[in-house]
Amino acid sequence: QKEVEQNSGPLSVPEGAIASLNCTYSDRGSQSFFWYRQYSGKSPELIMSIYSNGDKEDGRFTAQLNKASQYVSLLIRDSQPSDSATYLCAVNTGFQKLVFGTGTRLLVSP
Amino acid sequence: KAGVTQTPRYLIKTRGQQVTLSCSPISGHRSVSWYQQTPGQGLQFLFEYFSETQRNKGNFPGRFSGRQFSNSRSEMNVSTLELGDSALYLCASSSLQSRGGLGTGELFFGEGSRLTVL
Repeated sequence: QKEVEQNSGPLSVPEGAIASLNCTYSDRGSQSFFWYRQYSGKSPELIMSIYSNGDKEDGRFTAQLNKASQYVSLLIRDSQPSDSATYLCAVNTGFQKLVFGTGTRLLVSP
Repeated sequence: KAGVTQTPRYLIKTRGQQVTLSCSPISGHRSVSWYQQTPGQGLQFLFEYFSETQRNKGNFPGRFSGRQFSNSRSEMNVSTLELGDSALYLCASSSLQSRGGLGTGELFFGEGSRLTVL
């Protein structure tokens, strides 16, 4: 079982819709969770971090964490074509050692 | 504020050679991490340095090594290159040294060094 699992996609949504990206992790002791966005040919950039159960909102992005179910999700409201990218879920296992999922490719069509 | 700078951006080597990659973190960031990204394996952690000390290491052979200097700049070295070492090598820096001792995980990545081994 992989430590961090994501559906590779692609996830296709129309412009203006809500995109829902999901991630599960295996280490029940994990405490820090992140979503990174990676455009094709570019390096990953941090878009959300979440440390406590519940929701965390930042603009059009909402991260959700459920430690009991070992589940992290990212919602993107009012999706734009510029949101088309690969979204990487990551878990910090200690001293900046992040375990990344393989990423979900999101395609937002105009 | 300048971002994370990695050099060289692209390089081609042959099997058996060695390579050294350099990384300059964001000013004030003292933690530097290295990751390997390949289409098949995704992003994999190599090692992390803080104040010139390696605090964590991923599951890579000893051919992969690194170091950090007193100015927080870091280098990684791969010796006896193999075809499978072809990848994008990403350096990331972080400003906060700990969150309950674990580090924040909030990383700022450089553009990467793309290594091709022939």
